[in-house]
Amino acid sequence: AQSVTQLDSQVPVFEEAPVELRCNYSSSVSVYLFWYVQYPNQGLQLLLKYLSGSTLVKGINGFEAEFNKSQTSFHLRKPSVHISDTAEYFCAVSPNQAGTALIFGKGTTLSVSS
Amino acid sequence: EAGVAQSPRYKIIEKRQSVAFWCNPISGHATLYWYQQILGQGPKLLIQFQNNGVVDDSQLPKDRFSAERLKGVDSTLKIQPAKLEDSAVYLCASSIAGGRADTQYFGPGTRLTVL
Repeated sequence: AQSVTQLDSQVPVFEEAPVELRCNYSSSVSVYLFWYVQYPNQGLQLLLKYLSGSTLVKGINGFEAEFNKSQTSFHLRKPSVHISDTAEYFCAVSPNQAGTALIFGKGTTLSVSS
Repeated sequence: EAGVAQSPRYKIIEKRQSVAFWCNPISGHATLYWYQQILGQGPKLLIQFQNNGVVDDSQLPKDRFSAERLKGVDSTLKIQPAKLEDSAVYLCASSIAGGRADTQYFGPGTRLTVL
């Protein structure tokens, strides 16, 4: 069965610093990978997704992620964070089997302070 | 374009009571999902509909949970009777066709507290 591991439960950073949120997945076959963000009291919003092609994927709000097949990773990065980036971030994988529901990691809380 | 609507936003009930949640997906979206998000965890699928048919309900506790999607549009998720461990946020999501690459759009969720 496919699974997703987010290696950090909490990441505190200062405003304008770079940040990396780490995600590893387990799968022996091709995968589709997603990053979602959840602001307080809101639903999840898609940041970016990897389906195929270029391993560097650019998303909204200045975020990008790199797909690394050999390391089965899909880390999310932003070169300079803002206070408004404070939120919960979820990595997810789309199973390559019947049904298309996403399998999510446990989430990483990004806290940006001034 | 209107997003996924859910109601109520918050609900507090006693254990053994029943509760129902409502979801209205984005217009034209064929696929609807109900996820359960327990505090400190990622969302977990409860049930997936394609139009008004069930695609996957393998993780739905069918002894107490039920769901329906009338006419392939709105959906209702019911819990009867509720247990303490049902305290969670219930998220509804929809996608245009249910393909693996399709973006799932999430509603704001219903936060359920069972006392």
